[in-house]
Amino acid sequence: AQKITQTQPGMFVQEKEAVTLDCTYDTSDPSYGLFWYKQPSSGEMIFLIYQGSYDQQNATEGRYSLNFQKARKSANLVISASQLGDSAMYFCAMREGQGGSEKLVFGKGTKLTVNP
Amino acid sequence: EPEVTQTPSHQVTQMGQEVILRCVPISNHLYFYWYRQILGQKVEFLVSFYNNEISEKSEIFDDQFSVERPDGSNFTLKIRSTKLEDSAMYFCASTRDGQIIRAWYFGPGTRLTVT
Repeated sequence: AQKITQTQPGMFVQEKEAVTLDCTYDTSDPSYGLFWYKQPSSGEMIFLIYQGSYDQQNATEGRYSLNFQKARKSANLVISASQLGDSAMYFCAMREGQGGSEKLVFGKGTKLTVNP
Repeated sequence: EPEVTQTPSHQVTQMGQEVILRCVPISNHLYFYWYRQILGQKVEFLVSFYNNEISEKSEIFDDQFSVERPDGSNFTLKIRSTKLEDSAMYFCASTRDGQIIRAWYFGPGTRLTVT
């Protein structure tokens, strides 16, 4: 079963508009972490934002914010004021396991295209 | 800012050959990982390494794969006899305890092409 589900294979947004990229997750652990990574066409994985399961407030990092709805098991990424350079693949990931066995499990990604 | 580095950026090899992919994790990190991404697909976990031994490996990480930390800085992934389906982007990542946000920092990747 999918542990991280990203239902939007592709999204389009106009420059300067806001966009929400969806992510739902499945876990029975009470302690977990959720991450978003950006992968531009050059291929590197860039860490954007993190949300811990016990964090009381939604994470924010510049133009990125995470809409964390724990009861719904969703952790959507909101990008405000989109820029052309935001065009990339975006991956949601969840930390699972303990200690030395911790690892990240990724969703299939969403390709975001920002139109001028 | 410290970063994970990987060499080479692109490796082309013939089927059946051995390849070694190299990574230099961030210096104060203790946990090291290899992930791979077949073109157009999601990033998949291969193996985690802590305290000089494998802590977990996926079903992808079969006997053809091995990892090593030969010195205090390098972390390598060896594929003994490459297959066509090993063609992918291979990412090294590292992390450590004690951070408020325990983020996995990824290297830029090595694109492996098996012909």
